[in-house]
Formats: sequence, C-alpha cells, structure tokens
Amino acid sequence: DIQMTQSPSSLSASVGDRVTITCRASQGISNYLAWFQQKPGKAPKSLIYAASSLQSGVPSKFSGSGSGTDFTLTISSLQPEDFATYYCQQYFSYPFTFGPGTKVDIK
Amino acid sequence: EVQLLESGGGLVQPGGSLRLSCAASGFTFSRYAMSWVRQAPGKGLEWVSAISGSGGNTYYADSVKGRFTISRDNSKNTLYLQMNSLRGEDTAVYFCAKGGSGVVTSFDYWGQGTLVTVSS
Repeated sequence: DIQMTQSPSSLSASVGDRVTITCRASQGISNYLAWFQQKPGKAPKSLIYAASSLQSGVPSKFSGSGSGTDFTLTISSLQPEDFATYYCQQYFSYPFTFGPGTKVDIK
Repeated sequence: EVQLLESGGGLVQPGGSLRLSCAASGFTFSRYAMSWVRQAPGKGLEWVSAISGSGGNTYYADSVKGRFTISRDNSKNTLYLQMNSLRGEDTAVYFCAKGGSGVVTSFDYWGQGTLVTVSS
C-alpha cells in the first residue's frame, strides 16, 4: 500500500497569511493526488485533483503543485473560513490512502 | 445539483450486520465510480471501498475485505455497503463519495455521512 505523510500536522496562522502544506507519498504516484478540506462535524470538501487542478467552484486562493512523491497545497491569503483540517489523498492505486491531515487554526 | 444522502447507520452489537445506503441525484449515476470513506471519532479519513460505474469492478481496504460488500443499483441511483461481522473499530461516520470524470479519478462530491456505532 502507498503511505501518505503530511507536514506539519498542525499550524497556527493569521488571517492574510500565506500557508503551505506538504504531502509526501511513499512511492511515485505521478499526479494522482487530491486535496480535501474538512471542518468540524462536516463532510470533506474536494479542493484539488490531479495535483494542481481546482475543483469547480473552489476559489483561486487555493493552489496545488507537485508530481511523483512530493506535493504542496498553498493558500495564498488565509481567510476565517479556511481554518479547517486539510487531507491529501492518492488515487494512483487501490487501496486509496489519505494523509493524516493538517489542522490549520487561528494564531 | 449533485446530492448524496446516506442512511442506514445506527447502533449495532459486535458481530452484527448493517446495510448503508447512499441515494444519489443530480448526475447520471451509472457513469461514475463511487466510494465509501469512513472517519472514526476524532480520527482521519479512511477509504473503505469503491465500485465502478457498471458495478462490475469492486475494491476494498484490507481492514474490511471479506466482511463488507459494496454494490449499486443504477436503476435506483443508489449505492450500498453491506457490513457484516462488525467490530468496535468499525465505529465511524461513513461517507459516500462520487468519483470525478475520467478513468482514474478521486472524489468530487461527498455526502453528509451516517454514523455507525458498534458496541454492546
């Protein structure tokens, strides 16, 4: 199985900050990497697929990059509604696997 | 508008069974793969199972293989998860998720989830 790791596991940031989250796969997954946002008590929301493509309706402050084993999610200017937990997920092969999550909270 | 509505969760004793349903609307159901993803209390996301649009191909996490069965009824636009031999570690919110466009896809829409509690 492909293992996914994320760093940091949590971070504190202020409104307006630029935030970057890193995701690493235990083996190459090309660009079969997605990012999700989840707020407490809510379903995950799909943000990015194919490492860098925004899902419909997702604001352009979110961006993704990377290929192979190393990926990043960047939020260009953090807003109050962006405080949440972010997960990466590989869909290169079954079983699909998620990273452990990065919790972004208010400094 | 895509909508996914899960049902069937509840309290069940260890060793028991439960069937979850996910009613889909707002898209051509038979054209898309579907998955179940779960989240134990206070934990991260865990992919459980997936099924192709036709239902001809199914995939499972090792943790549920042999105990859970995914299926779909394209005439009813409904996804199912039959869960047998339930264990305490199966306690979680179960989400259904729609696959995106393309042959190899992640998820683009999620349901709100249904809670399964396995306890005596």
